[in-house]
Amino acid sequence: QKEVEQDPGPLSVPEGAIVSLNCTYSNSAFQYFMWYRQYSRKGPELLMYTYSSGNKEDGRFTAQVDKSSKYISLFIRDSQPSDSATYLCAMSAKKSGTYKYIFGTGTRLKVLA
Amino acid sequence: EPEVTQTPSHQVTQMGQEVILRCVPISNHLYFYWYRQILGQKVEFLVSFYNNEISEKSEIFDDQFSVERPDGSNFTLKIRSTKLEDSAMYFCASWTSGGTDTQYFGPGTRLTVL
Repeated sequence: QKEVEQDPGPLSVPEGAIVSLNCTYSNSAFQYFMWYRQYSRKGPELLMYTYSSGNKEDGRFTAQVDKSSKYISLFIRDSQPSDSATYLCAMSAKKSGTYKYIFGTGTRLKVLA
Repeated sequence: EPEVTQTPSHQVTQMGQEVILRCVPISNHLYFYWYRQILGQKVEFLVSFYNNEISEKSEIFDDQFSVERPDGSNFTLKIRSTKLEDSAMYFCASWTSGGTDTQYFGPGTRLTVL
């Protein structure tokens, strides 16, 4: 089983839809959970990060972490064509002097005008 | 809008050569990172740097890699003897903390090892 699993998509939604992006993971030691947005040929852009379980909201974006289910989600409300990008989840944990910082493969999202 | 800059945008080198990738993080940031992304694959964390020393590193970051902040502004990643499999996009990032934590990525350096 991969440490972090993310559906690669592509996911196509109409403008204004609520988008749900998800990742599952197997390592219970992960403590920080991040969501990044990456436009084509650009570096990732940190959208949100969460420590441990719970919800965090920032504008149209809501991140949820359910550590008991090892499942994290990013919701985008009122999606816009400019939200079309690849969304990456990432998680981190310390282990014996090295740092586990694992990214998902990314979900390609296309918001149709 | 603050930005992280990276040079060069594209570096082509022969296998076995040393390369230095350069980054200028945002000036008041304290944490600095290198990541790489092999074409078509996921982003991989390499190393983080704080207070002039490595704070965390991944299993990828072996003895062939080193990082420095030689002059308080530049942040460099050196690969001593490049391999074909080092061909990737290398991203530098910096992180601010205290208040509104956020991380800014540079545009990346595409490294091609022939």
